Formats: sequence, structure tokens, C-alpha cells
Amino acid sequence: SQQGEEDPQALSIQEGENATMNCSYKTSINNLQWYRQNSGRGLVHLILIRSNEREKHSGRLRVTLDTSKKSSSLLITASRAADTASYFCATDAISAAGNKLTFGGGTRVLVKP
Amino acid sequence: DTAVSQTPKYLVTQMGNDKSIKCEQNLGHDTMYWYKQDSKKFLKIMFSYNNKELIINETVPNRFSPKSPDKAHLNLHINSLELGDSAVYFCASSQGQSRAFFGQGTRLTVV
Repeated sequence: SQQGEEDPQALSIQEGENATMNCSYKTSINNLQWYRQNSGRGLVHLILIRSNEREKHSGRLRVTLDTSKKSSSLLITASRAADTASYFCATDAISAAGNKLTFGGGTRVLVKP
Repeated sequence: DTAVSQTPKYLVTQMGNDKSIKCEQNLGHDTMYWYKQDSKKFLKIMFSYNNKELIINETVPNRFSPKSPDKAHLNLHINSLELGDSAVYFCASSQGQSRAFFGQGTRLTVV
């Protein structure tokens, strides 16, 4: 089963607008990571936020984490056409078996010029 | 140098064949993974290895057999390929609780 569920599944915005997507998960985590995937390409790591952190910034990206609600959000500010991609959250879950990085279903973002 | 490399990038094969996908990481990581991304873009974990030992097997059919000859390599062998095996397969590695590094993917098409 998917550990992370992402919302919305798809998002269409104009260039210059902000894009926000959310991720909910079910179990305790070590950290939560966000990745970007352009069509037909591999996964690009964007940002990692640890379970004891609440907010993190990287350039135009802002990630929040609320472990009490088991949710995270990714905000892309001042979006560009090049931000068009699918965005995935991934949870690094606490497990006796070892690290398990589980992905959500992704949010497809279209930024229109 | 590519951190995580997998070969081949594309693989087209007939049903019933046996094929392998190779993965190598030069990061010195202890943990390696195989993921399957289907046509709906869901990324599903298949296997996780830590120091050559299998630690996670997510109810993958036993036609799929991972092999880790050493810490830097995790290969995926698939027997008796089926149409439903068509997907993009990603290899990844990580160390401790740090971010994962992904290969560029292998697009497998079974005809």
C-alpha cells in the first residue's frame, strides 16, 4: 500500500503563480523527501525534512512538516514553465527491518506560460 | 561520474523471456532499492538490500530475483516475462537516514 497520499493529483497554474501540493502519510517517519520527475526522466531530489523539523526552504521551494497530522506540504513560489513536472513525496519510515523509502502517488503540475 | 547507474536504459523483449537489469552505485552506500513505476506513474518499492542482505521484499512475484554480489551492486533478474511487467524500473541507493540517489531508469517493454 502507498505510505504517502498526495493531493491534488493534478494542478494547472499560470507562470508566476504559486503551486502548493500536500502529502499525507500513515506511520512514524525518520524524514520526508520531495522529488521531481520530468516526463520520461528520472527522479530529482528536491528537499529532505527531518521528523524534528517543521519547515525548510530551498530557493523557491518551501516544505512544511506536521508530524502530529502526519502531513507535509510543498510550495513552489513564482512558478516557471520549467517547473512543469510530477512531484512526489517519499517517507523514510522507521522499521526494524531497515530503511524503507515509500512514495506517494504524485502531483502532476502544469505551469502555463 | 554517475552516482547510480543502471543498464540497459531501454529493454524490449518477448513474453516468456528472461532478462536482467544491472545497477551499480559508487557512493559507498549501504542500502540499495529497486522500484517499479507503472503507466500511472505510481512508484512501488520492490526490494531493499542493506549490506548485500535482503531486508524488504514487497510481495513481488518470485519470477523477480534480486542479486547483490557486493554492496555496490544490486541486479534484478526477471524470469518468464509477462506483459504486465512492462514498466520503468528504478534503482536507488541511500545511507542511513539521508536522501536517496536514483538511477535514470530502465524502460522495460514486453511484447
